[in-house]
Amino acid sequence: GAVVSQHPSRVICKSGTSVKIECRSLDFQATTMFWYRQFPKKSLMLMATSNEGSKATYEQGVEKDKFLINHASLTLSTLTVTSAHPEDSSFYICSAIGQGSGANVLTFGAGSRLTVL
Amino acid sequence: KNQVEQSPQSLIILEGKNCTLQCNYTVSPFSNLRWYKQDTGRGPVSLTIMTFSENTKSNGRYTATLDADTKQSSLHITASQLSDSASYICVVSAKSGAGSYQLTFGKGTKLSVIP
Repeated sequence: GAVVSQHPSRVICKSGTSVKIECRSLDFQATTMFWYRQFPKKSLMLMATSNEGSKATYEQGVEKDKFLINHASLTLSTLTVTSAHPEDSSFYICSAIGQGSGANVLTFGAGSRLTVL
Repeated sequence: KNQVEQSPQSLIILEGKNCTLQCNYTVSPFSNLRWYKQDTGRGPVSLTIMTFSENTKSNGRYTATLDADTKQSSLHITASQLSDSASYICVVSAKSGAGSYQLTFGKGTKLSVIP
């Protein structure tokens, strides 16, 4: 079945630094990848939709200059949290959907927990 | 506006009992509906996916139903186990052309199974 790998699973950084999270589709080509954030005990919140080779579409209220999304290949998308602050501490999850056996099922990564000190 | 409403918001049941979670949607054009299970601190895991023509689909003790006419889906859990404690998320997909998808998420139902 389709597998999505997300890295790192946990990251702690100092306020003001930038953090990059990777999302890889391991056995299928992800034509579309999604990025979410989730605060404790809250629902998933879609941040942006990323189609390979084009600019990401951000949800209302999500700062595109703060959350940089790159989807340069069919197997990799990255989310960079720039100049992170403590309020950016959250659980970030990616998902992917695409082509190939089983790939039409939206598959989630395991998530990345970001803590900004 | 596409919307997905899930109920109940939270549910507590005794181990071994059955339960049913609801998902109502207004998404167009409908492509498919998925149920996911999300354990705390982990990414959601797919339980079932159903297209327009499918009425029911099972995955072990999980059985999902879909009524495309009334735009309702349910997830039935049989003989619940403590490990079923999680959030269950309903996601409805609309195909928006050129191979791209528009997803609408429900807020989830938090299920707690107690001994």
